[in-house]
Amino acid sequence: DGGITQSPKYLFRKEGQNVTLSCEQNLNHDAMYWYRQDPGQGLRLIYYSQIVNDFQKGDIAEGYSVSREKKESFPLTVTSAQKNPTAFYLCATQTGYEQYFGPGTRLTVT
Amino acid sequence: GENVEQHPSTLSVQEGDSAVIKCTYSDSASNYFPWYKQELGKRPQLIIDIRSNVGEKKDQRIAVTLNKTAKHFSLHITETQPEDSAVYFCAASRDYKLSFGAGTTVTVRA
Repeated sequence: DGGITQSPKYLFRKEGQNVTLSCEQNLNHDAMYWYRQDPGQGLRLIYYSQIVNDFQKGDIAEGYSVSREKKESFPLTVTSAQKNPTAFYLCATQTGYEQYFGPGTRLTVT
Repeated sequence: GENVEQHPSTLSVQEGDSAVIKCTYSDSASNYFPWYKQELGKRPQLIIDIRSNVGEKKDQRIAVTLNKTAKHFSLHITETQPEDSAVYFCAASRDYKLSFGAGTTVTVRA
């Protein structure tokens, strides 16, 4: 999981603004995932991609968008349509069955 | 979709004692069950996993058991140490998508 980077670590935005979270990996893994974590809750799947130029909605995709133009990169855009965007966002890659997480981005929207 | 329930939500144990966390899942087609440990503000770390064709797996002080018939699996930590204090998440996977439990906060008292 040292090969997964997320930037920035902390991000602050005003309500009504779109914001893009970065996720980059050098592990050569095909599959990448985005999760949201709220205090006292488990991780919830936003979007995932098993191959370049293809991605699927997870359980809570509303208000989010992604792209997968390169194997190494899977950026997540939090749009103004997301009603409660303040959360800890985690990117993950997968090899076989095992998923490994990046360090996360803590987004605060006020 | 898959529903994973995790109990207890908090667990306090004396150093040296054992800790047990239990999870149930709803989708009988789930075939992979990882456990993650997350320290405050950090990424979840995979600590042990089990596949549906195995009943038990052990790695030093941690072990996981799986009962497919009852659709439940458990994490056992023996000889607990202060560094075991963290939040632990179980998950169940079907078609390479993970569904997480809500987490158990484990506190090891010195």
